[in-house]
This record gives sequence, C-alpha cells and structure tokens, in this order.
Amino acid sequence: NAGVTQTPKFQVLKTGQSMTLQCAQDMNHEYMSWYRQDPGMGLRLIHYSVGAGITDQGEVPNGYNVSRSTTEDFPLRLLSAAPSQTSVYFCASSYVGTGARGTEAFFGQGTRLTVV
Amino acid sequence: AQKVTQAQTEISVVEKEDVTLDCVYETRDTTYYLFWYKQPPSGELVFLIRRNSFDEQNEISGRYSWNFQKSTSSFNFTITASQVVDSAVYFCALRGPSGGSYIPTFGRGTSLIVHP
Repeated sequence: NAGVTQTPKFQVLKTGQSMTLQCAQDMNHEYMSWYRQDPGMGLRLIHYSVGAGITDQGEVPNGYNVSRSTTEDFPLRLLSAAPSQTSVYFCASSYVGTGARGTEAFFGQGTRLTVV
Repeated sequence: AQKVTQAQTEISVVEKEDVTLDCVYETRDTTYYLFWYKQPPSGELVFLIRRNSFDEQNEISGRYSWNFQKSTSSFNFTITASQVVDSAVYFCALRGPSGGSYIPTFGRGTSLIVHP
C-alpha cells in the first residue's frame, strides 16, 4: 500500500501565485486533514474532511481552500500565496472506527513550501 | 475544545540517560484517544503509540514506556537508556470519538537531543 501520498515534496512560489498541494490515500479512510508545521508551533489544523463532499475549517484556514470530491483525494489550494504561508504541510488520513475503536492518523511525507 | 500541552520545548541529555517527555491534555469527551508521534530529522511523522481513555494500563515497548493517568490528564513518555537515534521532535496528540473532534489536536512538540 502507498498509504498517504503528497505531491510535490518541495515548492517555491512567488507572492501572489496560486497552487494546489495534492494528497491521495489508498486506505479508504473517511477522515482526511491538512496541517501546517511551523517552528515552535507544532502541527496546526488548516482544514479537514469527514467524508466525500464534506469539509470544514480548522484552526488556521485563512488563505486556503479544500474540496473532497472523492474518498481518496483531498487537495489543498493556496489562492494567493503569501510569505506567511511558508511552512511544511502535512496531509493525514484516518479510519473511523465503530464504538470505542479508533486508529491513529496516517501522514504523508510532507510538502516544504517557500513563498518569496 | 481539545488542548494538548507539551511544556518542555527542548530537552538535552547524554546518551544512556533516561528521559521523560511530558504531555498534559484537556478534553470534555469521556471517550478519547491519545497518541505519541516521533519526527526524526528526516521530517516524516512516525506513529509510536495509541491509548484509549478507558484503558489506563501503562505500556512498555523495549526502551519506551508510557504512563497514562486520567486523574492528572497526563500521558507521559519515557525513554530508558537514550540513544543518539532517539534525537527527534516528539508530539503528543489527542482526538475525540466523532465528528470534528476525531481530527487529532497536537501539542507543540518536544525536541529531544541526545548527545553521544
């Protein structure tokens, strides 16, 4: 299994450019999410999805859009890149257990984005 | 709302010392899940352990052990006889049983440096 695949691994953007970070999982997980990691700030939730067609905002959603048209894919769009969006981005997915069951989140390898 | 606090920003030890990483959490859910992840210098997030709120049994896995105490809302992680390869950032995470709370909330991480 590939697990969670993120592309690209590295990206440099100019201020004002737009781009899409891709995330795909092949584990049929219902939940998917995007985090950004900044020094000393841990992982902060940007957006998440509890299933195809359903998305919601996390802690730091401004400047980002998401959509979830299929179970497998959860792309993150930067509408107009700003230097403050320089960060490492992680996509994650997890399975919804029934009752008391649950699983850990599975993470992609991360995308290091620099906005100049 | 869920919150995870890792008060130790950075810990520096000499190889073979024991080290404990602290994690304190807040949640209103009666059912919840706690996790520890390791992020080595290569950057990926490696899952270490999951603990359910109804299972307070402590766990030992080789040089790693975890102490879960609901009474103090803590889920501490101890590395015995630390090694240089243990140098990494360690994250504690918490998630609830359903909906948006199912998406993990992370602490800010503790950077562990093990000197030879």
